[in-house]
Amino acid sequence: NAGVTQTPKFQVLKTGQSMTLQCAQDMNHNSMYWYRQDPGMGLRLIYYSASEGTTDKGEVPNGYNVSRLNKREFSLRLESAAPSQTSVYFCASRRGQGASRAEAFFGQGTRLTVV
Amino acid sequence: GQQLNQSPQSMFIQEGEDVSMNCTSSSIFNTWLWYKQDPGEGPVLLIALYKAGELTSNGRLTAQFGITRKDSFLNISASIPSDVGIYFCAGQLGGYGGSQGNLIFGKGTKLSVKP
Repeated sequence: NAGVTQTPKFQVLKTGQSMTLQCAQDMNHNSMYWYRQDPGMGLRLIYYSASEGTTDKGEVPNGYNVSRLNKREFSLRLESAAPSQTSVYFCASRRGQGASRAEAFFGQGTRLTVV
Repeated sequence: GQQLNQSPQSMFIQEGEDVSMNCTSSSIFNTWLWYKQDPGEGPVLLIALYKAGELTSNGRLTAQFGITRKDSFLNISASIPSDVGIYFCAGQLGGYGGSQGNLIFGKGTKLSVKP
């Protein structure tokens, strides 16, 4: 059982470069999420997709875009990377947004450094 | 936005000791989740709670959904070295639509071994 798979695991970018973080889940979940984790800040929601075909902004969406490619895949794009986007990025999935289906499963993370 | 206050921020454990941590909020939650994160890994779900007053165990871990629905507690009995890591609480306010369905995370409790 792969669960939630993220690629790449590590990445170094120069300021202004662009890149796409990939995420795929094999649990047939409807909802998918992108979080960033910074020291002392916990997990902050960047964007989410409650169901295939929909995407919405989370708490810290500026500088990012997302695409829900299909039910399995949800990508995060940085169009012009900035040092403030140095962080660890986690993708997560859940069966759905309802309270009875709250359990989220996380990928192993992408450690991004912008220099 | 909504916040969860997780305490303590950090603690040192000695093998065999019991450990307690909690999360509180000014808002009422419908779901509480507890996660553990090892260094370099994504958060892993430990326990999910869905009813006020619910007490659920997972091995040496026991979590409770507070009666007021504004707090949750996690206890680890007879700690062992592999218990070190960061423990996160997460809550869902409820509702099936929009951002109400998103999880809100505490900032974590870091468990370390006493020198």
